[in-house]
Amino acid sequence: NFMLTQPHSVSESPGKTISISCTRSGGSIASNYVQWYQQRPGSSPTTVIHDHNQRPSRVPDRFSGSIDSSSNSASLTISGLKTEDEADYYCQSYDSSNYVVFGGGTKLTVL
Amino acid sequence: EVQLVESGGGLVQPGGSLRLSCAASGFTFSSYWMSWVRQAPGKGLEWVANIKQDGSEKFYVDSVKGRFSISRDNARNSVHLQMSTLRAEDTAVYYCARITGWYNNDYWGQGTLVTVSS
Repeated sequence: NFMLTQPHSVSESPGKTISISCTRSGGSIASNYVQWYQQRPGSSPTTVIHDHNQRPSRVPDRFSGSIDSSSNSASLTISGLKTEDEADYYCQSYDSSNYVVFGGGTKLTVL
Repeated sequence: EVQLVESGGGLVQPGGSLRLSCAASGFTFSSYWMSWVRQAPGKGLEWVANIKQDGSEKFYVDSVKGRFSISRDNARNSVHLQMSTLRAEDTAVYYCARITGWYNNDYWGQGTLVTVSS
């Protein structure tokens, strides 16, 4: 199996840009698509990025996803931060054995 | 409108069993893989199990293999999670989620709380 490692927390001011990393241990980040989920307190998760960098139509274009094969990691970038972006963010991927893993989650605070 | 509604959670003693259900509506249920994902209190998301459209393939996280069983009833648009030999560490909110594409959980239910305690 493999692991996905995220920073525990990140904080930034409104209007700024942040990136959350998700590093894969075991296997190539590029070989299997990465999803990103947003979970606000008391709510179920929702997809903000799927298939590495695809954004659902309801998600604002301030959200983007990318991968970096050199560091074997994926990143979620949020620009023009708003207070409503304050939430927990989780990356997720899978392997060739259909084993699914979530990252540990990153708490985003918009100060 | 896609809806997923979980039920069956509750308090159970260690070593006990529980069966969770998820009622789906608003989409062609038999065309989609389905997932169960759990979240322990104050913790992150953990994938539990997936099941293929016709139920012919099932996959589980290592920690529940041999204890949990996922199944579905396409005639009733429902997916189930039979949990046995429950442990305190199985305490969590259990979410039912639809899978689209490459393991994207695009719709989630509201979750049902399972508490394993004596």
